[in-house]
Amino acid sequence: EAGVAQSPRYKIIEKRQSVAFWCNPISGHATLYWYQQILGQGPKLLIQFQNNGVVDDSQLPKDRFSAERLKGVDSTLKIQPAKLEDSAVYLCASSFPLAGNEQFFGPGTRLTVL
Amino acid sequence: SQQGEEDPQALSIQEGENATMNCSYKTSINNLQWYRQNSGRGLVHLILIRSNEREKHSGRLRVTLDTSKKSSSLLITASRAADTASYFCATDATGNQFYFGTGTSLTVIP
Repeated sequence: EAGVAQSPRYKIIEKRQSVAFWCNPISGHATLYWYQQILGQGPKLLIQFQNNGVVDDSQLPKDRFSAERLKGVDSTLKIQPAKLEDSAVYLCASSFPLAGNEQFFGPGTRLTVL
Repeated sequence: SQQGEEDPQALSIQEGENATMNCSYKTSINNLQWYRQNSGRGLVHLILIRSNEREKHSGRLRVTLDTSKKSSSLLITASRAADTASYFCATDATGNQFYFGTGTSLTVIP
């Protein structure tokens, strides 16, 4: 079974530029998550989708971050404009829609904002 | 915040020894999961324990849950160098919405 795919793996941008990350979850996984993991910290949930609907985006900085999952499969996370403090690894995960099921994580995108 | 807190932040042991790490959380949960993250990699699910369970085993892993104290522990027995990683607990409080802890960095010395 193919895992969660993410691209790009690495991205370096200057502050105030925009950037987009892509995630393709495991086939059949209705739930998709985006996390931000700052070096030395645990992952922080940014947004959770159930199919193409948003379940939780309470920790998403909506003034600069946006995410979509239009067809209920793959998803994009965008930052515009980027700030220095956005430097982090952005992780995508997916799971079956049943509560309590394990999440399967992609390898992440390491973003450096200069 | 519902985020859990792991303790200790860092742990260094000799190969063959047991490693114990703890997780405390703040709100009622449906279940608690433990994940491992090798340096520069994504997270890998290790084990899930439901709120009505007190102990669970998986291979060399033993997890306990005390909902009255809002705490969990992960025990890795007979550790190996390959167990070197960061370990995170994740709590599911409202149904498939997870909050990760701060992590324990484990180093197993060969």
